[in-house]
Amino acid sequence: GAGVSQSPRYKVAKRGQDVALRCDPISGHVSLFWYQQALGQGPEFLTYFQNEAQLDKSGLPSDRFFAERPEGSVSTLKIQRTQQEDSAVYLCASSLAGTREREQYFGPGTRLTVT
Amino acid sequence: RKEVEQDPGPFNVPEGATVAFNCTYSNSASQSFFWYRQDCRKEPKLLMSVYSSGNEDGRFTAQLNRASQYISLLIRDSKLSDSATYLCVVSPILTGGGNKLTFGTGTQLKVEL
Repeated sequence: GAGVSQSPRYKVAKRGQDVALRCDPISGHVSLFWYQQALGQGPEFLTYFQNEAQLDKSGLPSDRFFAERPEGSVSTLKIQRTQQEDSAVYLCASSLAGTREREQYFGPGTRLTVT
Repeated sequence: RKEVEQDPGPFNVPEGATVAFNCTYSNSASQSFFWYRQDCRKEPKLLMSVYSSGNEDGRFTAQLNRASQYISLLIRDSKLSDSATYLCVVSPILTGGGNKLTFGTGTQLKVEL
């Protein structure tokens, strides 16, 4: 079956531009997560949704970052007024709720470069 | 201090060798523990969960020591295809049951002929 998909795969933005990154989770997955992975680092948690409810946004680095999942399926991570330090791979993951392992399945990521 | 600490490596080992990775975590509220594998420029993929009793999956053995807040991964008879970055991951249980994964920096393994 289809895995988690993300678009675009690559995005180059000029400093100050707004960007929107899309995540399509695995069908039926209730939980959705966004992570940021800088070069040479492990992924870092940004935010978490259960269905359409954003239950944790403690990892969002500033108020320029905003995420939504209005219908409990597709999610969008928006970054306003991008800065060079926003350059990273943005990973989306989804999982079933209520399963013992709660394995998170990751998408291929969006590589954002801010120039 | 990072919540999850790992030796970044790289570990360069010959094919067939046994290699061990360790990590320590600082959040005693952590409830779930995992090893993920990440190939270059790819997404992380779950390798195995880690339990206090220790668990094995083929050539891979994982151990957890809650008292010392220490996790290990042992790879026996390493293959060229094992070359990757191994990420140590811990997690509390979130409201609603989701896992908020906290990743280490990763340990790079290179298996050579």
